[in-house]
Amino acid sequence: EVQLLESGGGLAQPGGSLKLSCAASGFTFGSYPMSWFRQAPGKGLEWVSFISGSGGTTHYADSVKGRFTISRDNSKSTLYLQMNSLRAEDTAVYYCAKDVGETWGNIVVVVGAMEFWGQGTQVTVSS
Amino acid sequence: EIVMTQSPATLSVSPGETAALSCRASQSVGSNLAWYQQKPGQTPRLLIYGASTRATGIAARFSGSGSGKDFTLTISSLQSEDFAVYYCQQYYNWPPWTFGQGTKVEIK
Repeated sequence: EVQLLESGGGLAQPGGSLKLSCAASGFTFGSYPMSWFRQAPGKGLEWVSFISGSGGTTHYADSVKGRFTISRDNSKSTLYLQMNSLRAEDTAVYYCAKDVGETWGNIVVVVGAMEFWGQGTQVTVSS
Repeated sequence: EIVMTQSPATLSVSPGETAALSCRASQSVGSNLAWYQQKPGQTPRLLIYGASTRATGIAARFSGSGSGKDFTLTISSLQSEDFAVYYCQQYYNWPPWTFGQGTKVEIK
């Protein structure tokens, strides 16, 4: 059974930092692209960041570029999101998500639809 | 960036009826379109990807159709557990992956 368990959320002051973690199990973590999404209170879903299975390719939403860093430790089956220079508008529930992935031989290719989502971790930025 | 627009914002449906939710892309996304269901306080759940392929474990009453710019999620014989917010998402041109603003399906 696939499980994604986020942690690390909490209250941060504007300009502060937080590091989110997403512990994965139930699948070959290192083979799959992963992403972070967020949902502000009462709002819709917003993509935040992407990382390839190897970690060699990353992408960021313009709203977080230069402030957030996505990474992964495949030996620990864990995904991370380092969030610096936090702003009030970063307040949201943050979800990690596993790409559907399409297997071509022994390579998993990005599909772009998110098959599994974690339960989310709340990040609140306020003074 | 591809903008996704969903309509209506809210759909009032009686249990047992059929609901049709619309999603339109600002440019063609081929069949690279997913639908998600989100219930209050819960995590999003993938229903459909590839515009019409049901995800694992998704009931047959959920069906997706369309290609290019216009897509529809049809929920047949609505059950109580189907009242939720539904989002469409394109993954044709990324980054960024973009979502519609959501359609809330409520009990009539």
